[in-house]
Amino acid sequence: KAGVTQTPRYLIKTRGQQVTLSCSPISGHRSVSWYQQTPGQGLQFLFEYFSETQRNKGNFPGRFSGRQFSNSRSEMNVSTLELGDSALYLCASSLGRGVYYGYTFGSGTRLTVV
Amino acid sequence: GQQLNQSPQSMFIQEGEDVSMNCTSSSIFNTWLWYKQDPGEGPVLLIALYKAGELTSNGRLTAQFGITRKDSFLNISASIPSDVGIYFCAGQKVWYGGATNKLIFGTGTLLAVQP
Repeated sequence: KAGVTQTPRYLIKTRGQQVTLSCSPISGHRSVSWYQQTPGQGLQFLFEYFSETQRNKGNFPGRFSGRQFSNSRSEMNVSTLELGDSALYLCASSLGRGVYYGYTFGSGTRLTVV
Repeated sequence: GQQLNQSPQSMFIQEGEDVSMNCTSSSIFNTWLWYKQDPGEGPVLLIALYKAGELTSNGRLTAQFGITRKDSFLNISASIPSDVGIYFCAGQKVWYGGATNKLIFGTGTLLAVQP
């Protein structure tokens, strides 16, 4: 059974550019959540999607956005990149909402902004 | 951003020793999770706790959900070199608007095991 797949694994972008990250959940999982991990702030919740709808959003600026497709795959977009956006971006998938369903993380996308 | 208080920040131990770490919060949580993260990888779930006072084991790992619902503990017995990594606690707050997958993570405990 394939796990959560995040692409690309590594990305280098320049300040001011935008970036799109992709997350393919475990087959059958309908919920995808995104987290940002940095040495200073640790793991911070970005947003949660279920059935193509954003259900919850963390405390991040509007430059961070996401969406979920009908096959449950999700993308997140960061516009007008800043140096501080350099981080490991993790997505996690779940059968449904609520941790009783289990919550599996992908290996992440390492974004470096120069 | 919000983080749970996790201690100790790091531990350097000899193989075979037992390890304890804990996580505290000023808020009540209805679920506590413990994860391990290896370098360059995503966190992997070790133990999930769903009820105050619950004590759960997974092999050499034992975790407890504090009765106040504001803390949790993880113990690792007879540590081995592959236990090396960063351990995170994570909590899910009481949510009256329905289920949610939002987790609040601890600051992490770096564990180093010397053979």
